[in-house]
Amino acid sequence: GNSVTQMEGPVTLSEEAFLTINCTYTATGYPSLFWYVQYPGEGLQLLLKATKADDKGSNKGFEATYRKETTSFHLEKGSVQVSDSAVYFCALREAGGGADGLTFGKGTHLIIQP
Amino acid sequence: AAGVIQSPRHLIKEKRETATLKCYPIPRHDTVYWYQQGPGQDPQFLISFYEKMQSDKGSIPDRFSAQQFSDYHSELNMSSLELGDSALYFCASSPEGLNIQYFGAGTRLSVL
Repeated sequence: GNSVTQMEGPVTLSEEAFLTINCTYTATGYPSLFWYVQYPGEGLQLLLKATKADDKGSNKGFEATYRKETTSFHLEKGSVQVSDSAVYFCALREAGGGADGLTFGKGTHLIIQP
Repeated sequence: AAGVIQSPRHLIKEKRETATLKCYPIPRHDTVYWYQQGPGQDPQFLISFYEKMQSDKGSIPDRFSAQQFSDYHSELNMSSLELGDSALYFCASSPEGLNIQYFGAGTRLSVL
């Protein structure tokens, strides 16, 4: 079956540090890949996505590249801010999945200190 | 812009009671998904509907059922509630042909 593995948290960084949150996946075919962010007490917000190999998703300074050869979709940001503190979920959806649900990783809690 | 609306936001029930959660998708979205997120856990897919028909089924217990109505809103019915059903329940919607799910703020269910 499908699965997503992401680095365990919490990840604690200082403001303006470089961020990488690793995500690897197992899936049949070529899934679509997503990063969602969840702020305390809120729902999940789509951060970025990529639908095919070598696609780069980007939003709000965050980037992730779909690497088929390493089955990875690592999230990066060059300079984090305190407001980036949240839980980040990597997720996949099977190709041609119609109304298939997303498969999520366990989430990575990011804490940015001033 | 309109978002996915879930009600109620919070619900407290006792063991063996029933609960109904409601979801109103973004206008013109025809697909609805339900997820369950336990404390400190990742969201688990329960079930989805496309054009009022069940489309995909995940780890939904037999005690739970759901449906999508003619106005595209959806309800998740939960019976014989157990302590382990305490969780955040998310609804998401997506428009036809677009591979993005938009999530509501969730309903927090506490079973005492």
